[in-house]
Amino acid sequence: EPEVTQTPSHQVTQMGQEVILRCVPISNHLYFYWYRQILGQKVEFLVSFYNNEISEKSEIFDDQFSVERPDGSNFTLKIRSTKLEDSAMYFCASRDRGYTEAFFGQGTRLTVV
Amino acid sequence: GQQLNQSPQSMFIQEGEDVSMNCTSSSIFNTWLWYKQDPGEGPVLLIALYKAGELTSNGRLTAQFGITRKDSFLNISASIPSDVGIYFCAGREDNNNDMRFGAGTRLTVKP
Repeated sequence: EPEVTQTPSHQVTQMGQEVILRCVPISNHLYFYWYRQILGQKVEFLVSFYNNEISEKSEIFDDQFSVERPDGSNFTLKIRSTKLEDSAMYFCASRDRGYTEAFFGQGTRLTVV
Repeated sequence: GQQLNQSPQSMFIQEGEDVSMNCTSSSIFNTWLWYKQDPGEGPVLLIALYKAGELTSNGRLTAQFGITRKDSFLNISASIPSDVGIYFCAGREDNNNDMRFGAGTRLTVKP
């Protein structure tokens, strides 16, 4: 069964460093998302991406964040200068056209020290 | 922006009992989704609802899309230990690409 894959599963980084989280959405899906979940809390929307551009973003997604679809398969989230409060699970999701459900990857646990 | 209220926050039940949880929104949704999250895993879709009034079952799970389009509930019948986890509702407005999540209901099932 097709699935969304994310790498790495766990990333530890020093405060102020740049990190790139990688995702391979389900092939042929058209809409891509990043969400984050601080430990024990709810899943929060960060950004959605369609047709090679950001279609929506939340107030969390500030200038420190960027997304890219560098080729036909990868979808990346970059955090330019990490802060301690960026520590969280980051989930990538994708969906097909129409009112279809989103499928999530297993997540990347980001720890900023 | 969208406000999703999910309740209850947590539930402790005995194996075999039925469970009910619900979500309400401050705006009208065109899609309601229910996900389950196990520890250290990503959310996994349980049920998707696309039409007001729609009632859908998936095994012991039943969910409904409220007729006002501002609420949804999820029922689990005859709970078993593997039902333990966090259940999230999620919804999407018309002409809105993003999906907002409720705060989750943490379910504990005692054998």
